[in-house]
Amino acid sequence: DAGVIQSPRHEVTEMGQEVTLRCKPISGHNSLFWYRQTMMRGLELLIYFNNNVPIDDSGMPEDRFSAKMPNASFSTLKIQPSEPRDSAVYFCASNPRVAGTNEQFFGPGTRLTVL
Amino acid sequence: AQSVTQLDSQVPVFEEAPVELRCNYSSSVSVYLFWYVQYPNQGLQLLLKYLSGSTLVKGINGFEAEFNKSQTSFHLRKPSVHISDTAEYFCAVSDRGGADGLTFGKGTHLIIQP
Repeated sequence: DAGVIQSPRHEVTEMGQEVTLRCKPISGHNSLFWYRQTMMRGLELLIYFNNNVPIDDSGMPEDRFSAKMPNASFSTLKIQPSEPRDSAVYFCASNPRVAGTNEQFFGPGTRLTVL
Repeated sequence: AQSVTQLDSQVPVFEEAPVELRCNYSSSVSVYLFWYVQYPNQGLQLLLKYLSGSTLVKGINGFEAEFNKSQTSFHLRKPSVHISDTAEYFCAVSDRGGADGLTFGKGTHLIIQP
């Protein structure tokens, strides 16, 4: 299994530009999570999906952030317009939702720099 | 609401010495507990997890952790560390009730000194 795949691995953009981060979960996993990691705030849950349906987006910082999961094998996190304070590492994780566990498998992350 | 406290932001240890990384949590419900490791410029990898049963949990790379319900702790230990254990370690908690997101501590940077 290839694991959780994220693209791009690195993104440098200018303030005001639209940024789209992509994630392919592990095949057969039906929960998907987006996290953000910064020095100041650590790892924060932004949003998660079960069976492609957004369940909890209370961690999404502002309306500039949006996430979609059009099918079981693909999700996007979009920031429009981007700001320098959005600079962080964004992780995607997936979970098979086997009864009795909540083990999540993380992708390598996307390092976003907004100038 | 859940929270996780990792009191030590950085722990320096000599190679082959034992180490303990501390984790305390708070939750109003029963929880699952996890330790993840993050090597530089990489994603998070699961070290071990506590779901139920024995309070002593063994994980990969010689790590183990003990769940203590009365002290709401889940400290991570290794009897003899190696230079390759240098990494960031995260404790996390999840509500037992559903497959919701993880709440992470701020992390502990383990520094192995030769």
